[in-house]
Amino acid sequence: DGGITQSPKYLFRKEGQNVTLSCEQNLNHDAMYWYRQDPGQGLRLIYYSQIVNDFQKGDIAEGYSVSREKKESFPLTVTSAQKNPTAFYLCASSSNSALHFGNGTRLTVT
Amino acid sequence: DQQVKQNSPSLSVQEGRISILNCDYTNSMFDYFLWYKKYPAEGPTFLISISSIKDKNEDGRFTVFLNKSAKHLSLHIVPSQPGDSAVYFCAATAGTASKLTFGTGTRLQVTL
Repeated sequence: DGGITQSPKYLFRKEGQNVTLSCEQNLNHDAMYWYRQDPGQGLRLIYYSQIVNDFQKGDIAEGYSVSREKKESFPLTVTSAQKNPTAFYLCASSSNSALHFGNGTRLTVT
Repeated sequence: DQQVKQNSPSLSVQEGRISILNCDYTNSMFDYFLWYKKYPAEGPTFLISISSIKDKNEDGRFTVFLNKSAKHLSLHIVPSQPGDSAVYFCAATAGTASKLTFGTGTRLQVTL
């Protein structure tokens, strides 16, 4: 089955710890994206990558980092510098027509 | 600055009736618009899209209308079904169909 896999579905961390969210796709898409969803704020773009070994900041990149060493993988690290890390994180890939999303990771930082 | 706005956070419609979800945008460079549907704890799924060269696109029970002069689009669902209950996001892009700007979503509840 082709798709986007995000793991884990739920993640809990203590404040001050970095945490990495996994995103893997087998759709052979060049472009991949990370969005964050907060209540009442829709989806906001964190980082995106149009091609392997290249990525750009989205609208809310502060406190996050990414890498794109392989076409299939686009992990997102939420660093301790991110002031409000608790959120629902969505990874997506695109084939130039529409974004295809994974099922998300809910991160809770206490 | 919210470039894509969905001013109704929620909407309740009776089964069988029409659901109309609205979306406004401010960026005149946007030329491609999409609607996504999202269930709780899942990723959004693509529903329907429209290019700025059209003013209407239809797919089964779903129709999207675009009014460029008013910078407004709407999604019509006819007839509404209980399975349509979800959050609907409007999204827009300029020049590339991939880097999308999303609205804040409208929660649709279809009642029996």
